[in-house]
Amino acid sequence: DSGVTQTPKHLITATGQRVTLRCSPRSGDLSVYWYQQSLDQGLQFLIQYYNGEERAKGNILERFSAQQFPDLHSELNLSSLELGDSALYFCASSSMTAGNTIYFGEGSWLTVV
Amino acid sequence: GIQVEQSPPDLILQEGANSTLRCNFSDSVNNLQWFHQNPWGQLINLFYIPSGTKQNGRLSATTVATERYSLLYISSSQTTDSGVYFCAAYNNDMRFGAGTRLTVKP
Repeated sequence: DSGVTQTPKHLITATGQRVTLRCSPRSGDLSVYWYQQSLDQGLQFLIQYYNGEERAKGNILERFSAQQFPDLHSELNLSSLELGDSALYFCASSSMTAGNTIYFGEGSWLTVV
Repeated sequence: GIQVEQSPPDLILQEGANSTLRCNFSDSVNNLQWFHQNPWGQLINLFYIPSGTKQNGRLSATTVATERYSLLYISSSQTTDSGVYFCAAYNNDMRFGAGTRLTVKP
């Protein structure tokens, strides 16, 4: 158990809909990362937050948004969903101190039908 | 941004064999990690190794930061080692290589 909690674990929704994925980082970790992994694809970095502020942005679509709340949990909002958005979405967290190991949650499987 | 390249892309081994996976990165980084993604999709931390050598059981890793590469060694492979091995090299945002898909046959 990495200590990073993601919900829901599985989600099936229709095209055009909006979903919210939630992530609770490890206790004490200030930094949260979101990644997308499509079928048989590598891990695409979406966005990083540190202590509530956006720190780095990757290949995140305009239809997607994220935020990190004062209690450090984070949410990834996916809207106007398309079939191609079906993927495994990972959240990860780190403390950003020396020895900056990043720990991943188990992921949220999103299927858009 | 930092480019991360892994080789080989695919590797098939017989149980008991040894293997070496390589990760090259394009620029100096402060952090490097190896992960194993099992067939159920879970990403498991193997090593945090920005430099030097570490060992954990049958697995070991070496990073030569000055030459911008890292190696993951798997000895006496087992079927449970199958999956995809990812290297991630990063300063701030973590960028992954495309992975090495390892299949260990009984």
